[in-house]
Amino acid sequence: EDQVTQSPEALRLQEGESSSLNCSYTVSGLRGLFWYRQDPGKGPEFLFTLYSAGEEKEKERLKATLTKKESFLHITAPKPEDSATYLCAVGDTGRRALTFGSGTRLQVQP
Amino acid sequence: DAMVIQNPRYQVTQFGKPVTLSCSQTLNHNVMYWYQQKSSQAPKLLFHYYDKDFNNEADTPDNFQSRRPNTSFCFLDIRSPGLGDAAMYLCATSGTESSYNEQFFGPGTRLTVL
Repeated sequence: EDQVTQSPEALRLQEGESSSLNCSYTVSGLRGLFWYRQDPGKGPEFLFTLYSAGEEKEKERLKATLTKKESFLHITAPKPEDSATYLCAVGDTGRRALTFGSGTRLQVQP
Repeated sequence: DAMVIQNPRYQVTQFGKPVTLSCSQTLNHNVMYWYQQKSSQAPKLLFHYYDKDFNNEADTPDNFQSRRPNTSFCFLDIRSPGLGDAAMYLCATSGTESSYNEQFFGPGTRLTVL
């Protein structure tokens, strides 16, 4: 059975204080690892897809990396508007649908 | 802009009173999904459609049903809502059924059961 574990559950940063969020996964055959941002009371917003170990993608202050067992979402010099829950999900060769983690709630204080 | 639309954004119903949630999409995607998300939890897949082919998750209660009358629209029917069904319901679409592809989510419907 696919498993996705995100850590930490919650993270509080000062504006400008860089950090990383972790997504550990277990799948029989990885078809893709997805990062989403979710604001309170809203649907998840797609950020990145990573397909193979060693792949990296960047968008503004966010950078996602992938190994064979985990993915990191690095946040460089975060701003208060980066505050949100960040969800990780994996696609598996054996399943039609994605498996989501519970997310990391990020709060960036000015 | 192409998008996924959910109506209503907020729905209040009474215990046991049937309710229908609506989702529409302008992306022309083949696949539509319904998720249930409770506070601080991962979205939980209820079922999905690949075109008109309905796929139910094994642990989705019989109380939840779905209809997809055409490519653009999909409905979630909760026949007899219980207090435990209070949650955010998310609709998503994908271009293909392969788990290669990212899913695009609507804004969600927050369901309250009194």
